[in-house]
Amino acid sequence: QVQLVESGGGVVQPETSLTLSCVASGFTFALFSMHWVRQAPGKGLEWVAFISSNGNTDSCADSVRGRCTISRDNFRNTLFLQMNSLGSEDTAVYYCARHREGGSFDYWGQGTLVTFSS
Amino acid sequence: SYVLTQAPSVSVAPGKTATITCGGNNIGIKSVHWYQQKPGQAPVQVIHSTTDRPLGIPERISGSSSGNTATLTITRVEAGDEADYYCQVWDAVIAFGFFGGGTKLTVL
Repeated sequence: QVQLVESGGGVVQPETSLTLSCVASGFTFALFSMHWVRQAPGKGLEWVAFISSNGNTDSCADSVRGRCTISRDNFRNTLFLQMNSLGSEDTAVYYCARHREGGSFDYWGQGTLVTFSS
Repeated sequence: SYVLTQAPSVSVAPGKTATITCGGNNIGIKSVHWYQQKPGQAPVQVIHSTTDRPLGIPERISGSSSGNTATLTITRVEAGDEADYYCQVWDAVIAFGFFGGGTKLTVL
């Protein structure tokens, strides 16, 4: 069965960077585009970043542009999100999700929590 | 940027029909997707491509769209349907995703 397992969250200091990982299993990772979505405590879902199946196309939301790098390793079935210059607004649970044809997110991981601490 | 507008909350009695709407400019010509999220859990897709149910989603849950409004309808509402529901659209041209603010469904 499809599984997505995120890791790398934790307490972060001002102006530091963080790299999150998402290990995929149960499907051919290299054939699917992927996303990161985050959710601040008590708030709604916010799309963060996208990367195509071969990594040639990627994008980041306006709220994180310039601080966000999404990448993938298709040999290790792993998706990454690097965030720089972290601030309180980045406190959230970060989910990775699989892109389904048509633009929906058909499978989600359980998320990894990033907490900003001043 | 594409704005999706959802009412913050909807309440319905058990056995009745819940209607959750998602407003967006010309959303009727877009592919709309819906997710259910229960407290402490990851979102689960309940509708994709405006009207299609993934495997395992009950027929009580359906989607539709017209004009500037997409709608998620849950008939014969059960206590287990109590959750937050989010609509979502994908803009393939600019490779951007957009979520509505979410609607909290309360079963009375």
